[in-house]
Amino acid sequence: DAGVIQSPRHEVTEMGQEVTLRCKPISGHDYLFWYRQTMMRGLELLIYFNNNVPIDDSGMPEDRFSAKMPNASFSTLKIQPSEPRDSAVYFCASSLGGQSGTDTQYFGPGTRLTVL
Amino acid sequence: GENVGLHLPTLSVQEGDNSIINCAYSNSASDYFIWYKQESGKGPQFIIDIRSNMDKRQGQRVTVLLNKTVKHLSLQIAATQPGDSAVYFCAENIRGYQKVTFGIGTKLQVIP
Repeated sequence: DAGVIQSPRHEVTEMGQEVTLRCKPISGHDYLFWYRQTMMRGLELLIYFNNNVPIDDSGMPEDRFSAKMPNASFSTLKIQPSEPRDSAVYFCASSLGGQSGTDTQYFGPGTRLTVL
Repeated sequence: GENVGLHLPTLSVQEGDNSIINCAYSNSASDYFIWYKQESGKGPQFIIDIRSNMDKRQGQRVTVLLNKTVKHLSLQIAATQPGDSAVYFCAENIRGYQKVTFGIGTKLQVIP
């Protein structure tokens, strides 16, 4: 398996522009997570999905952020309009979702976003 | 201006020595704990996990110790190698919930 795939790997944009980050989870995984990592706040969970349905979006910082999962193999995280403080590395992760309710999360390589 | 970022604890270890990375977790209800390794420019990678009904678990060159009394977790790496240089995160979770809370991380530097 190729693992979790994220695109683009790097994104540089200007303040006010729309940014869309993409993620393909590992095939067969039922859970998908979006994280943001910054020097200021470390690794933060933004939102996660179970079987394409958003379960917890309490980490989404503002209405400027939105995430969708139209099918089991694709998810997007959109920022509109983007601001310089959104600059961070955004990770997508997926997990199988074991019967115990907890399973190992596998992370993608991340998208480094720079908003000028 | 310059951002004031998290000050990551840093552990410097001579190659071949053992490393011990410590973590204090926050939620006494947490019953599942995971260690992740993050190399520069990559996403976190699973290393080893432990459930609260255990106090020790061993993997290949790594051992995790759990002390629930003081809410403390440690990761021991035997015979540390240059490839072990990375940031190590502990994470905690409550069984039945997929949400995992990550600590701030510890940077391990291996001196050749």
